[in-house]
Amino acid sequence: DSGVTQTPKHLITATGQRVTLRCSPRSGDLSVYWYQQSLDQGLQFLIQYYNGEERAKGNILERFSAQQFPDLHSELNLSSLELGDSALYFCASSAPGGERETQYFGPGTRLLVL
Amino acid sequence: AQKVTQAQTEISVVEKEDVTLDCVYETRDTTYYLFWYKQPPSGELVFLIRRNSFDEQNEISGRYSWNFQKSTSSFNFTITASQVVDSAVYFCALSDITGGGNKLTFGTGTQLKVEL
Repeated sequence: DSGVTQTPKHLITATGQRVTLRCSPRSGDLSVYWYQQSLDQGLQFLIQYYNGEERAKGNILERFSAQQFPDLHSELNLSSLELGDSALYFCASSAPGGERETQYFGPGTRLLVL
Repeated sequence: AQKVTQAQTEISVVEKEDVTLDCVYETRDTTYYLFWYKQPPSGELVFLIRRNSFDEQNEISGRYSWNFQKSTSSFNFTITASQVVDSAVYFCALSDITGGGNKLTFGTGTQLKVEL
């Protein structure tokens, strides 16, 4: 158990819908990261937040948005869902310290868009 | 741009065999970090090791060992006396601080199947 929690574990929804994925980082960690794992794209970085502020952005679609709240939990919002958004979405967290800090991953949320 | 290559898509071995998973990376950074993660069939990503670019000492942890060679930009992972529980997808990753953040660039993974 990495200490990172993600809810829900599974999500099934329809095209055009909107969903919210939630992540709670390990105690003491200030950075939260979101990654998408799909069969065709592999593991891809989406976005990083550090202590409530956006720190880095990757290949995140405009239909996707994220935020980190004062209690440091984070939410990833996916809207106007398409079939291709079906994937495993991971959240990770790391301690303050930058690139030398290890990212610990949560169990993931498996999203299926029908 | 950062790049991580894991050329071995799938490896099958018989239990107790040794197996080496290859990882080759590309970066222009002088300071960087390399990681290995394991993804068992249950799906979670489990951290195995972190290595910084200034430390080329090989590391051993039980049946696992890692060989970091800066001259060939490689960070290979060896499992000695493999066990069925080692069956998983293994990912090599490289830290990328371009733009001020700290993201990981992952390889495509190597599926390891250990059979009895």
